[in-house]
Amino acid sequence: GDSVTQMEGPVTLSEEAFLTINCTYTATGYPSLFWYVQYPGEGLQLLLKATKADDKGSNKGFEATYRKETTSFHLEKGSVQVSDSAVYFCALSANDYKLSFGAGTTVTVRA
Amino acid sequence: DGGITQSPKYLFRKEGQNVTLSCEQNLNHDAMYWYRQDPGQGLRLIYYSQIVNDFQKGDIAEGYSVSREKKESFPLTVTSAQKNPTAFYLCASSLLAGSTDTQYFGPGTRLTVL
Repeated sequence: GDSVTQMEGPVTLSEEAFLTINCTYTATGYPSLFWYVQYPGEGLQLLLKATKADDKGSNKGFEATYRKETTSFHLEKGSVQVSDSAVYFCALSANDYKLSFGAGTTVTVRA
Repeated sequence: DGGITQSPKYLFRKEGQNVTLSCEQNLNHDAMYWYRQDPGQGLRLIYYSQIVNDFQKGDIAEGYSVSREKKESFPLTVTSAQKNPTAFYLCASSLLAGSTDTQYFGPGTRLTVL
């Protein structure tokens, strides 16, 4: 079945550091890929998405490129801020329309 | 403002009791979903509905029930048959039930069984 594997956390960084969260997937067909962010005690917010190979999603300084050859969708940000502290989820949606989520990566940014 | 509302934010239940979680959306979305989140885990799909008066089981439907009588509402009942109901429950909706459609999430309900 469809599945997503993302790097385990927690990840702790200093402000202005470079952030990468690895995400790889297994799916039949051609899935859409998503990154969601969850702040403490809240629901999930869409961060970015890509619907076909080589698409790059971007938002709020975050980027991820849909790499079909490596089945990956790694999340990157060049300079993190304290406000980026959150849990980040990689997810995919394939032919059956449901979202399959990774386990989430907790990111803490220190001033 | 358009969005998804869930109520209550916190819910406490005694063992053996059924409890219903509310989810309402004013986004005019056709599809709605219920997920369960446990600490350190990703979200798991409980039920989803692509259209009014129709719904399908997700990966972990046992011990739960839903209804979809109105387009904007998709309540979830956690029954006494659910063995480990303490969790964070998230409702979501999307314009259509298509693989490219973005799912938008509500703020969640934290259920604790005492």
